[in-house]
Amino acid sequence: EAGVTQSPTHLIKTRGQQVTLRCSPISGHTSVYWYQQALGLGLQFLLWYDEGEERNRGNFPPRFSGRQFPNYSSELNVNALELEDSALYLCASAILEGTQYFGPGTRLLVL
Amino acid sequence: AQSVAQPEDQVNVAEGNPLTVKCTYSVSGNPYLFWYVQYPNRGLQFLLKYITGDNLVKGSYGFEAEFNKSQTSFHLKKPSALVSDSALYFCAVRDRLTGGGNKLTFGTGTQLKVEL
Repeated sequence: EAGVTQSPTHLIKTRGQQVTLRCSPISGHTSVYWYQQALGLGLQFLLWYDEGEERNRGNFPPRFSGRQFPNYSSELNVNALELEDSALYLCASAILEGTQYFGPGTRLLVL
Repeated sequence: AQSVAQPEDQVNVAEGNPLTVKCTYSVSGNPYLFWYVQYPNRGLQFLLKYITGDNLVKGSYGFEAEFNKSQTSFHLKKPSALVSDSALYFCAVRDRLTGGGNKLTFGTGTQLKVEL
């Protein structure tokens, strides 16, 4: 069974630019979660999507947004990038409230 | 609000010796508790979880964890450590009562180093 996949694996952007990260959940999983793992800040919850709807949001500014598609894949968009957005962005999928299984992450560097 | 504490930034253990990685939690209701492991430049890999029932939970790769409600702890253990167990370990909690919006709250992580 294929796990959670994320693309791209690495990304370099400059301040002020916009970025889109992608996530494909495990087959049969309807929920997608996004987390940010920044140096010194640990793992922080960003967003939760289920059945195409945003269900919960962490303490991040509105320039962090996303969506979930009918096939349950998801995108995370970050506008007006700042240096402190440099981090590993992890996507996880689950069946409803079940165990969250994580993808390999996208490492974003903002210069 | 839910929170997790991992009091040790690093744990060093000799191969073949037992290992313990500590975790304490705080939730308003009853907890769902998880352990994940992260190898360098990789995502998080699920090890085990406590939902309800037996306080001793067995997981992948010989790891187990003991839920202690009175001490609000969920320590990760393994009877005999391997060098390949060297990695970053995260404890996480979700509040069963409120759901916490389904989000996981993670500890700061404990780096486990197993030496020959």
